[in-house]
Amino acid sequence: GPKVLQIPSHQIIDMGQMVTLNCDPVSNHLYFYWYKQILGQQMEFLVNFYNGKVMEKSKLFKDQFSVERPDGSYFTLKIQPTALEDSAVYFCASSLGAGVQDTQYFGPGTRLLVL
Amino acid sequence: QQQVRQSPQSLTVWEGETAILNCSYEDSTFDYFPWYWQFPRESPALLIAIRPVSNKKEDGRFTIFFNKREKKLSLHITDSQPGDSATYFCAAITGNTGKLIFGLGTTLQVQP
Repeated sequence: GPKVLQIPSHQIIDMGQMVTLNCDPVSNHLYFYWYKQILGQQMEFLVNFYNGKVMEKSKLFKDQFSVERPDGSYFTLKIQPTALEDSAVYFCASSLGAGVQDTQYFGPGTRLLVL
Repeated sequence: QQQVRQSPQSLTVWEGETAILNCSYEDSTFDYFPWYWQFPRESPALLIAIRPVSNKKEDGRFTIFFNKREKKLSLHITDSQPGDSATYFCAAITGNTGKLIFGLGTTLQVQP
């Protein structure tokens, strides 16, 4: 089936530094998402993105977070500066549409550890 | 506050048995319930999904039973196979928000 890729698979970073998580979505998809999963907790919605704009963000999407997708390139999640509580697995997803039955395809996640 | 709850947290069955994974929710506005499965070190992938207009959705050995009144659903895996061993996530979504709400997951182990 369609594949979403995430780079890197793991990232260790010192608190206060900047980190960029990269997502290569399914090629013809138009909607992009980030989810966050802290160890032992459920995957939680962070943000969705369409046509160059954030459509909706959750309360987990702090001011230090930003997303973008420059033309034809990765969909990125940037955290600047990082905090200890940002340690989690970050999943990217993409879908063709935003309808109820539009399947979101997920990447394998980036495991971020902030020290 | 968890809007989507799953039980049990983990489940072990023998090959050939039926595994039953449970899910409940609180928000009546949820109108689509996809189940995702995830194998170790792989991406969560859509397995099967149901809309509240139906009380049953079947796809091969996988069946969702849905009880709208009680806000409960369950995933039944008949003739379980070792290759079914994975973590199963119940999710819910409202309208065209694109915002999936996930449960904690049930980790299924099928013993040969």
